[in-house]
Amino acid sequence: EPEVTQTPSHQVTQMGQEVILRCVPISNHLYFYWYRQILGQKVEFLVSFYNNEISEKSEIFDDQFSVERPDGSNFTLKIRSTKLEDSAMYFCASSTDSNSGNTIYFGEGSWLTVV
Amino acid sequence: QKEVEQNSGPLSVPEGAIASLNCTYSDRGSQSFFWYRQYSGKSPELIMFIYSNGDKEDGRFTAQLNKASQYVSLLIRDSQPSDSATYLCAVPSGGSYIPTFGRGTSLIVHP
Repeated sequence: EPEVTQTPSHQVTQMGQEVILRCVPISNHLYFYWYRQILGQKVEFLVSFYNNEISEKSEIFDDQFSVERPDGSNFTLKIRSTKLEDSAMYFCASSTDSNSGNTIYFGEGSWLTVV
Repeated sequence: QKEVEQNSGPLSVPEGAIASLNCTYSDRGSQSFFWYRQYSGKSPELIMFIYSNGDKEDGRFTAQLNKASQYVSLLIRDSQPSDSATYLCAVPSGGSYIPTFGRGTSLIVHP
C-alpha cells in the first residue's frame, strides 16, 4: 500500500540551528501538508502546498518556516533558527485533491528535539 | 474560530463492550468529518469519514453524524485491547479543505 515516508525519524538539534525535514508524499497525490504535534497536545496544521506553491498556512507558519518541493518526489520543511518550543513531532501528509471530502494520509513523523 | 471539541478521557471499557466517542464542532457549514486513530508515538491513521447525516458502518466501526446538533460520534463494537489508542476527530471548516483536529479521546480497553 502506498505510504508517505519521512526522514529523519528523529533529530536532535541545538537551539538556533537550521533543520530540514524531508518527506516523500504518495506518488499520485497532488496536495501536501505539514502538521506538528507538541508532546501531549493536539495535531496542528502548519501549511499546505499545491502546484509548487503554498495554498494555505496557519498562524504558526511564520517566517521561521519554509517549504519546498526541490524535485519531483521530495517535499521539505525547513525550520530556521530553531527554538526550544519547536520541539515536536512533525507530520507530513498528502491527499489527492482538496474538495470537501479531502482524505489526508500521514507519514510516520519526524520527532524534533531542540536542546 | 474553528473549534473541534472532544472529551480527553480516558474512556475505559471492558473487552467486548461498545466504546462511544463523541466530537462537537463549531462551524455549521462543515461538510465532511473524519476519525483518525493514533497510537502513542505514532502518526494519525484514518479510520473512516462521513459526509451525510445518519450512520456509516465499516466493520466494527460506526460513525454517526448529526449536523443539526453539530456532533459526530464513533462507535467501536466488540472493543479489543488493540483498540486502545487516542481517537482524533477532524473537521474541515471555515471554508477551508484543511481539517482541524480535536485534542482526541484516549480509549483504554481492558481485558
